[in-house]
Amino acid sequence: GQNIDQPTEMTATEGAIVQINCTYQTSGFNGLFWYQQHAGEAPTFLSYNVLDGLEEKGRFSSFLSRSKGYSYLLLKELQMKDSASYLCAVSRGDYKLSFGAGTTVTVRA
Amino acid sequence: IAGITQAPTSQILAAGRRMTLRCTQDMRHNAMYWYRQDLGLGLRLIHYSNTAGTTGKGEVPDGYSVSRANTDDFPLTLASAVPSQTSVYFCASSAGAGDYNEQFFGPGTRLTVL
Repeated sequence: GQNIDQPTEMTATEGAIVQINCTYQTSGFNGLFWYQQHAGEAPTFLSYNVLDGLEEKGRFSSFLSRSKGYSYLLLKELQMKDSASYLCAVSRGDYKLSFGAGTTVTVRA
Repeated sequence: IAGITQAPTSQILAAGRRMTLRCTQDMRHNAMYWYRQDLGLGLRLIHYSNTAGTTGKGEVPDGYSVSRANTDDFPLTLASAVPSQTSVYFCASSAGAGDYNEQFFGPGTRLTVL
């Protein structure tokens, strides 16, 4: 079966840093995706990790440890527009993704 | 504009009625997917298609059917809608080749079954 866990909600202040953790236990692993989803909109791609380590892309970074079944998404210099849900998704190598329930991040002024 | 379109945007449906949600992509992607998204449960896969002419069941297929007659279109049918099918439905597609499998999502259909 698939088990992907991430916190339900997080709140942070504008300009701060927030780290969203994701742990997974899946049958098969072929990479981990992070998606951003604003309220009422479709998910959009943020990052992809298949090898252990940190991938940095502007204010967003994503980390993966395959041996620990663990990833995190780091959001730096938070802006109000970063208020959204962040979805962790594991690719199992069969074209399908398994999604966590998502973490709602609220950025306060 | 390249991407995925879904129709309708929203729909209110009486229980027992038949309904087809439409999905079209113009990226020539091989694989397509239907998800439902419910509060607290995240995105759950209903059905998928790895290539035109083939379909498969996801996590929550009961009460839904799909077809994939060509590369671009992937309609989802509710044969006899029930209130538990009230949800937001997202269609997605991916190139479906190689190990990298980024999925691109349509704007969603908000369905209410009364």
